[in-house]
Amino acid sequence: GENVEQHPSTLSVQEGDSAVIKCTYSDSASNYFPWYKQELGKRPQLIIDIRSNVGEKKDQRIAVTLNKTAKHFSLHITETQPEDSAVYFCAASESGTSYDKVIFGPGTSLSVIP
Amino acid sequence: GAVVSQHPSWVICKSGTSVKIECRSLDFQATTMFWYRQFPKQSLMLMATSNEGSKATYEQGVEKDKFLINHASLTLSTLTVTSAHPEDSSFYICSAPSYGYTFGSGTRLTVV
Repeated sequence: GENVEQHPSTLSVQEGDSAVIKCTYSDSASNYFPWYKQELGKRPQLIIDIRSNVGEKKDQRIAVTLNKTAKHFSLHITETQPEDSAVYFCAASESGTSYDKVIFGPGTSLSVIP
Repeated sequence: GAVVSQHPSWVICKSGTSVKIECRSLDFQATTMFWYRQFPKQSLMLMATSNEGSKATYEQGVEKDKFLINHASLTLSTLTVTSAHPEDSSFYICSAPSYGYTFGSGTRLTVV
């Protein structure tokens, strides 16, 4: 089955700097890659996603890149703000319609220092 | 947008008792529901996938007789933790495919 690895496990950045989180996946059939932000005690919130037919996607301060050949994808957050502090999870799914199970990476705890 | 309502949000039960957790899709039909468990400071681990009208599919290592899943209708899926023990204490959360994946608010289970 699918296995998703994520690095780093913890990340501290100064407010205004950029943060990068990297993930790798094992199943070449995976073709949907969402990213979630989870605040303590709350449900994960989808922040951005990308499908395998796209190499990069951007939404304001957040961008995701995908390299299917290398089976890795990355989250980039620019101009970080204290409210960006949370745990971020990458995930991978086999289904192009996103109706298949999603396997999560272990998470990255991001701290943005004011 | 799509909403999944999950209840209860927290529950404390005695060891040996059973606890039922419900997830309802409020404004869409969820033919599939994913059930996850999350221990403190850890990731979401997929336990099982429920499908309306058929048996749930359990991930390797998850006891199907302990974690009973029922998908009674297109809007309701339930997870029952039977004969709960302290090691079952965790955060349980459901997710349904809809514009990506929509998560319930989670259930904090504490077994004493």
